[in-house]
Formats: sequence, structure tokens, C-alpha cells
Amino acid sequence: DAGVIQSPRHEVTEMGQEVTLRCKPISGHNSLFWYRQTMMRGLELLIYFNNNVPIDDSGMPEDRFSAKMPNASFSTLKIQPSEPRDSAVYFCASIPGTGYEKLFFGSGTQLSVL
Amino acid sequence: GENVEQHPSTLSVQEGDSAVIKCTYSDSASNYFPWYKQELGKGPQLIIDIRSNVGEKKDQRIAVTLNKTAKHFSLHITETQPEDSAVYFCAAGIYNFNKFYFGSGTKLNVKP
Repeated sequence: DAGVIQSPRHEVTEMGQEVTLRCKPISGHNSLFWYRQTMMRGLELLIYFNNNVPIDDSGMPEDRFSAKMPNASFSTLKIQPSEPRDSAVYFCASIPGTGYEKLFFGSGTQLSVL
Repeated sequence: GENVEQHPSTLSVQEGDSAVIKCTYSDSASNYFPWYKQELGKGPQLIIDIRSNVGEKKDQRIAVTLNKTAKHFSLHITETQPEDSAVYFCAAGIYNFNKFYFGSGTKLNVKP
């Protein structure tokens, strides 16, 4: 199993640009999570999906952030327009489903907004 | 919502010594407490977890203890080795609810 796959690994962009982060969960997993990691705030849950449906997006910082999961094998996190304070490592994680609590994390996307 | 605090933020120990990382949580409804290890350039990986119906759990050199009354839980690593050097995160959540709140992380450095 390839694990959770995220792309790109690194993204450098200028303030105001649109950024799209991508995630492929482990096949068969039906819950997907987006986390943001910063030095100041640690790991924050942004949004999670169950069976492709957003269940809780209360962690999404503001309207500039949006996430989609068009099918069971793909999710995107979009920031438009990006700001320097969005610089962080963004992780995607998946779990097989309710009742199985171990999160399988991808390797993350290091985002730098200049 | 849940608030998880983790201490210390950095910890340096000599190889062979023990390391202890402590976390507190605020929501008495939380009943599941996992610990994750993050190595450089990688995503966090689950190393041990405990549910609220258990006070202690061990797995070789690592153990976790839980005090529900005081709302705190701790990770204990004995006989530390250089490969234990990493960032460790505690988390709290409600089992079957799929929502976990993480602590801010502890960077453990094991000096050979």
C-alpha cells in the first residue's frame, strides 16, 4: 500500500495567488482529514470528510480556504487568495472509517507564501 | 471545544535515560488519547493510544498513563535511544467521533 499521497511536497507562491493542495487517501479508507501544522498552533484540524461528504469544517480559518472531495480517492484544499500567514505544513490523513481511530498521515505539503 | 496543552515543548535527554511528556485536556467527554511521533520530513505516526476505561498501557519501552479525574495523561519512554528523537504529539477526542484535538508538540532530542 502506497499510503496517503500528497502533492506537491513543497509549494512556494506569492501573496494573492491561488494554491491547490492535493491528497489521495489510502484505498478503502472512507474518512479524510486536512490538518495544518505551524510552530505557534501545532496541528489544527481544518476539515474532515466521511464518504466524500464534509462533516465538520469548523476549523477552516476563513472563506479563502475551501476543500472538496469529488470522489473516494481524491481531495483538494484550495487557498484563494493566499497570504503569508498561510505558510505552514498541510497534512492530509485518512482512516478506514468510524470506529477505527488510527490516523494515517501523508508526508505533508510545505507551503510558503511570500 | 476541547483544549489540549502539552509540556514541555522541548526535551533533551541522554541516551538510556527516561523521557516524560505531559498533556492536559479540558473536555470531560473525551475518552480516547492517542500519541503520535513525527520524524523529520514525515507525517505523524501513531505509536500508542489509551481509552478512558484504562489507567495505563505499555508497549515495550513506551507507556501511557491517564488520570481522568485530573484530566491529564502522560507518555513515558524508557531506555531512550537516538532513534527516539522526534516530535511527539498528544491528542484527545471522543472514540467513534473521528475528531481529535492535538497538543502543540514536544521536540525530543536523545543525545548519544
